[in-house]
Amino acid sequence: LAKTTQPISMDSYEGQEVNITCSHNNIATNDYITWYQQFPSQGPRFIIQGYKTKVTNEVASLFIPADRKSSTLSLPRVSLSDTAVYYCLVGDDNQGGKLIFGQGTELSVKP
Amino acid sequence: DAGVIQSPRHEVTEMGQEVTLRCKPISGHNSLFWYRQTMMRGLELLIYFNNNVPIDDSGMPEDRFSAKMPNASFSTLKIQPSEPRDSAVYFCASSLFLSGAKNIQYFGAGTRLSVL
Repeated sequence: LAKTTQPISMDSYEGQEVNITCSHNNIATNDYITWYQQFPSQGPRFIIQGYKTKVTNEVASLFIPADRKSSTLSLPRVSLSDTAVYYCLVGDDNQGGKLIFGQGTELSVKP
Repeated sequence: DAGVIQSPRHEVTEMGQEVTLRCKPISGHNSLFWYRQTMMRGLELLIYFNNNVPIDDSGMPEDRFSAKMPNASFSTLKIQPSEPRDSAVYFCASSLFLSGAKNIQYFGAGTRLSVL
């Protein structure tokens, strides 16, 4: 499974757009990119997944450049409730759905 | 659906005692995962099952840990004997594994284990 690198922490203010970039230089052809969110005292929760270009849902957008060696999770107009740890994961189906979580990015949103 | 259900939510025990954590996956899901989370080591995958069969237990720390999945709706993680360094939050997750699909894992609320 490809290793990912993301910032340990980020600070933001309410109403701002937050972009968290993840590096995955060794991503394989069949790998897809998935982001999870974890609030304190809760299990991780799926946010978004993509393979290439841009994916958008009601929560976030995911931007993936052509070389796929990085990806950026974009959270529009964050609120205090977006304070959480965000994990970037890379993997494919060959591992039976296995996921390896890195250290994640701890996002702190301030008023 | 009620989601992934774990019990107990909190467990406090003394060193040397046997601890059993329980998990009920989402109905219809065919994969189940056990994770452990600590401040020092983050979120670690311990073991996972596909169709009730253990696929990869390379994350199980040592022989004191064992996991079973007797049927599609129930799994246990047992620690015997428990040690203080086993103190952590243990998460269970399930997914519907289909080749080429999103394979999203849904996590339970976790069991916070304290071994004194």
